Amino acid sequence: AQSVTQLDSQVPVFEEAPVELRCNYSSSVSVYLFWYVQYPNQGLQLLLKYLSGSTLVESINGFEAEFNKSQTSFHLRKPSVHISDTAEYFCAVSEETSGSRLTFGEGTQLTVNP
Amino acid sequence: DAGVTQSPTHLIKTRGQQVTLRCSPKSGHDTVSWYQQALGQGPQFIFQYYEEEERQRGNFPDRFSGHQFPNYSSELNVNALLLGDSALYLCASSLAATQYFGPGTRLLVL
Repeated sequence: AQSVTQLDSQVPVFEEAPVELRCNYSSSVSVYLFWYVQYPNQGLQLLLKYLSGSTLVESINGFEAEFNKSQTSFHLRKPSVHISDTAEYFCAVSEETSGSRLTFGEGTQLTVNP
Repeated sequence: DAGVTQSPTHLIKTRGQQVTLRCSPKSGHDTVSWYQQALGQGPQFIFQYYEEEERQRGNFPDRFSGHQFPNYSSELNVNALLLGDSALYLCASSLAATQYFGPGTRLLVL
């Protein structure tokens, strides 16, 4: 079984500041890692994923995350946030098997203030 | 290319009633997973369907059941509704490791 811990439930930042949302996981097997974003009253949108290869993965809107196997972490970072980045962010893990269930963290509410 | 669609968007039921939620996967996807997201929490896995059979199941009672049709669309049924079943129900489709989510159905049980 897997588990995911998102270390911060709320992260307030000012516009154009850098941000890091922390995610640690626990698993006895190899895993795939994901970050999803949820805007109010909407479903989840895939932000980025690590399946294999380079441990640094990037999204099209400037977010990046690095898979650190030794520290079992997959922290999400952005060097300069915008008001529009305000949302709930979920880290998720699945077994390294095609089609395996996702286990989610409790989420981190990122609020970007002007 | 249409993404994952779900219906209805909102639903209000009373305790003891039964509800059916529907999901159409992304074109080309053959696997459908269902999740329950209570207010302020992360989604919890209910079950997954592949080739019209339940392939995996989370820690949910038998009141939660599902079905997958030959066109890969899926239904989630919940019997004997409880107040605690009030949540956002999310459907996700996949072809391989990555799951793509629909907008969800918000169920309120009174």
